[in-house]
Amino acid sequence: DQQVKQNSPSLSVQEGRISILNCDYTNSMFDYFLWYKKYPAEGPTFLISISSIKDKNEDGRFTVFLNKSAKHLSLHIVPSQPGDSAVYFCAASINAGKSTFGDGTTLTVKP
Amino acid sequence: DGGITQSPKYLFRKEGQNVTLSCEQNLNHDAMYWYRQDPGQGLRLIYYSQIVNDFQKGDIAEGYSVSREKKESFPLTVTSAQKNPTAFYLCASSARGVLAKNIQYFGAGTRLSVL
Repeated sequence: DQQVKQNSPSLSVQEGRISILNCDYTNSMFDYFLWYKKYPAEGPTFLISISSIKDKNEDGRFTVFLNKSAKHLSLHIVPSQPGDSAVYFCAASINAGKSTFGDGTTLTVKP
Repeated sequence: DGGITQSPKYLFRKEGQNVTLSCEQNLNHDAMYWYRQDPGQGLRLIYYSQIVNDFQKGDIAEGYSVSREKKESFPLTVTSAQKNPTAFYLCASSARGVLAKNIQYFGAGTRLSVL
């Protein structure tokens, strides 16, 4: 039973437009959500996070939205840049414990 | 220059052989993790350790073993019992406590292949 799901394996957007990456979860006990970015042959790097007590967190071009009733979160990148092309992983944890990761979404930003 | 170092970058295993992947961190983090990534899939947790001399099985621990004798080091052994070891292995660490939010810092990975 996969508790964190990223249903879109890939997403392609034009440079300058908005990228929206989605993530769904099933465990209502998750209280902290994180997004990581991964380039090929490298380890993931932390991008942005959100606590379950909030519904939005913004950091520069990146904004994460959380809809607890729908058990859904999304990452918005505005404007998208070619350097944003990477695999994005959604992760969730309970009480700062170990994280459960989704399968990732490959974002391609076309110049 | 703080971070996590994984070695080797590439590793080849012969049938019936045990191999050990190295993971060292100088971030003074208490918690360390090992993940496996297969093509098109996410990160699956193999083992994790919250403190020295203690570790727990993750979701796919069979065929793997770990030790945590030092805070900085968390080596992973892929034993001959792991029948499908070909994958990309990632090590991570994080500070403990709620304020740390379990933000994990990853190494560059080791790609293991079977000869």
